[in-house]
Amino acid sequence: NAGVTQTPKFQVLKTGQSMTLQCAQDMNHEYMSWYRQDPGMGLRLIHYSVGAGITDQGEVPNGYNVSRSTTEDFPLRLLSAAPSQTSVYFCASRKRTETSYEQYFGPGTRLTVT
Amino acid sequence: KNQVEQSPQSLIILEGKNCTLQCNYTVSPFSNLRWYKQDTGRGPVSLTIMTFSENTKSNGRYTATLDADTKQSSLHITASQLSDSASYICVVSLYTGTASKLTFGTGTRLQVTL
Repeated sequence: NAGVTQTPKFQVLKTGQSMTLQCAQDMNHEYMSWYRQDPGMGLRLIHYSVGAGITDQGEVPNGYNVSRSTTEDFPLRLLSAAPSQTSVYFCASRKRTETSYEQYFGPGTRLTVT
Repeated sequence: KNQVEQSPQSLIILEGKNCTLQCNYTVSPFSNLRWYKQDTGRGPVSLTIMTFSENTKSNGRYTATLDADTKQSSLHITASQLSDSASYICVVSLYTGTASKLTFGTGTRLQVTL
């Protein structure tokens, strides 16, 4: 299993540009999510999905869109990039365990908006 | 406001020495507490998960403890190795009745040196 994969690993955008961060998992997990990690702050939830066709907002959803057409893929779209969106973005998938759940993170995409 | 605070922010130790990282939280109602290891440029990887009824959990040289009464957790690393150099993140799960919400600490950056 490749686990959770993300592309690209690095990206530089100009203010106002749009782009899509790709995320895929091959573990057949229903739950997937996107986080951003900024210096001096804990990871913050952007959007999440509990299954194909179902998405919902997290803590910091403004400026981002998601869709979930398949179990495997959960892309994150930046509609009009702003310098405040400079961050490291992590995609994660989750599986249920006997008592709780286990969360698996991708390697991250480092985005710089100039 | 639900918070997770970790200390120290950073730590440098010699290879072979032990160390203890601290996590204090105010999240309520508490569901479970997790410790993650995040290598530079990588996504977080789960080390331990503890529910409110557990007060210790080990994973090799890593031992996590939990005092749900004082809302404190610690991660003890025994006989440190260079590969332990990473950020260690404490994550507390709040169960709202319909979903789990994760609150991430900002992490402790550990450097193990020769």
